[in-house]
Amino acid sequence: KNQVEQSPQSLIILEGKNCTLQCNYTVSPFSNLRWYKQDTGRGPVSLTIMTFSENTKSNGRYTATLDADTKQSSLHITASQLSDSASYICVVSGDGYSTLTFGKGTMLLVSP
Amino acid sequence: GAGVSQSPSNKVTEKGKDVELRCDPISGHTALYWYRQRLGQGLEFLIYFQGNSAPDKSGLPSDRFSAERTGESVSTLTIQRTQQEDSAVYLCASSSQPTLAGERNEQFFGPGTRLTVL
Repeated sequence: KNQVEQSPQSLIILEGKNCTLQCNYTVSPFSNLRWYKQDTGRGPVSLTIMTFSENTKSNGRYTATLDADTKQSSLHITASQLSDSASYICVVSGDGYSTLTFGKGTMLLVSP
Repeated sequence: GAGVSQSPSNKVTEKGKDVELRCDPISGHTALYWYRQRLGQGLEFLIYFQGNSAPDKSGLPSDRFSAERTGESVSTLTIQRTQQEDSAVYLCASSSQPTLAGERNEQFFGPGTRLTVL
C-alpha cells in the first residue's frame, strides 16, 4: 500500500531558527515528490517538486532534499519567520492520479 | 480569475441531506481535481477532469458522490444522503495541463469548502 509518513507531527520553533521536516514514503513506482505549504483555512501551495534524479531543490529559504534509494525527503527551513507557521505536506506521485499520496503534514508554529 | 475559488466556504447540513459544492478553476485551466481532507488526515484524491470528461473517478468513496464539469470551467461535487463521515474540507485544484504523475505541471488549490454533517 502506498504510504507517506511525515515527522514530526508538530513543531514549535523560535523566530529566526532553522528546522528540518521529514518525509518517508513507500509509493512505488515513484515519479515525483512535492512539498506544499498550507496556511490555516487556505489551500496548499506548492514549494518544490523533485523527480527521481534530483537530490536538492531550493525555493528561497526552503530547501528540499530527496534520497530515492532510501525513499526519504526532507524540507529545511532557514531563518524562520512568523509567516512560516503553517502545515507542510509531502506528496508523492506514482504512475497515475489515483496514486497521488499525501502525507498528513507537519504543523509548524514559529514563535516570536 | 486570479485563483481557484470555491463556494460555499462553509456548509453545515443534516445527515441524509444532499449538498452541492462548487469550484471555479483558474481561467484557461483544462484540468480540474477534487480532494477531500478529513481532520488530522492527508488529502485524498477524489476525481480528475480533463475538459468536461472525467478520466479518473477512482477516488470517489461511494455512489453517493458524483461530480460534473460544464463548459470546461465550473465543476460541482454532489454528495447525496450525506453521512457524518462525509464531514471534511473538500478542496478543488486546477492546472493548465493534465498533471500526469511524471510531469511537473503545478496544481493550484482553492481555499476549500468545510462540510459539517450533523
